[in-house]
Amino acid sequence: NAGVTQTPKFQVLKTGQSMTLQCAQDMNHEYMSWYRQDPGMGLRLIHYSVGAGITDQGEVPNGYNVSRSTTEDFPLRLLSAAPSQTSVYFCASSQTQGSEKLFFGSGTQLSVL
Amino acid sequence: GDSVTQMEGPVTLSEEAFLTINCTYTATGYPSLFWYVQYPGEGLQLLLKATKADDKGSNKGFEATYRKETTSFHLEKGSVQVSDSAVYFCALGAYSSASKIIFGSGTRLSIRP
Repeated sequence: NAGVTQTPKFQVLKTGQSMTLQCAQDMNHEYMSWYRQDPGMGLRLIHYSVGAGITDQGEVPNGYNVSRSTTEDFPLRLLSAAPSQTSVYFCASSQTQGSEKLFFGSGTQLSVL
Repeated sequence: GDSVTQMEGPVTLSEEAFLTINCTYTATGYPSLFWYVQYPGEGLQLLLKATKADDKGSNKGFEATYRKETTSFHLEKGSVQVSDSAVYFCALGAYSSASKIIFGSGTRLSIRP
């Protein structure tokens, strides 16, 4: 069972560079989301999607873009990386918008120099 | 707005000790409450949940009771093992606001052999 797959696991960027964090799930989940994890701050929601073609902002969306062209994939784009975006990023999915259980990927550790 | 507050760590215990990790919440309505666990190098996974007042969630020897009168959901285990070393997150399901899961800041638990 693959579950939620995130790539890459580690990434180092220079300020101003762009990149895309990939997330794919094979459970036919409608709901997908991106969180960032920072020390002492828990997980904060960046963007989420309740189905293909539908996305919305979470708590900390600035500097990030998302799209959901298929049920399986939910990439997170950093258009112009900043040091404040250094963090660990987690993708998560659940069966429906009202589902009580999130399934998480193993995370992407991003450093912006 | 909705929020979760949990005790700061790190918490260090000896094997077979009794564990309590405190969690309190602020929410409108009647949220679902969760404990997630993050083992080193992995994503979060659901440990237990409770969906209404006085419910007790349990899994792998861990328990937590949904206390509406004290707005609490404390995590307990009678005898911890080295393998319980991880970061524990209390969370609530804020279904009144775009179906997002709100996480506490996490408590790191270390168990000495």
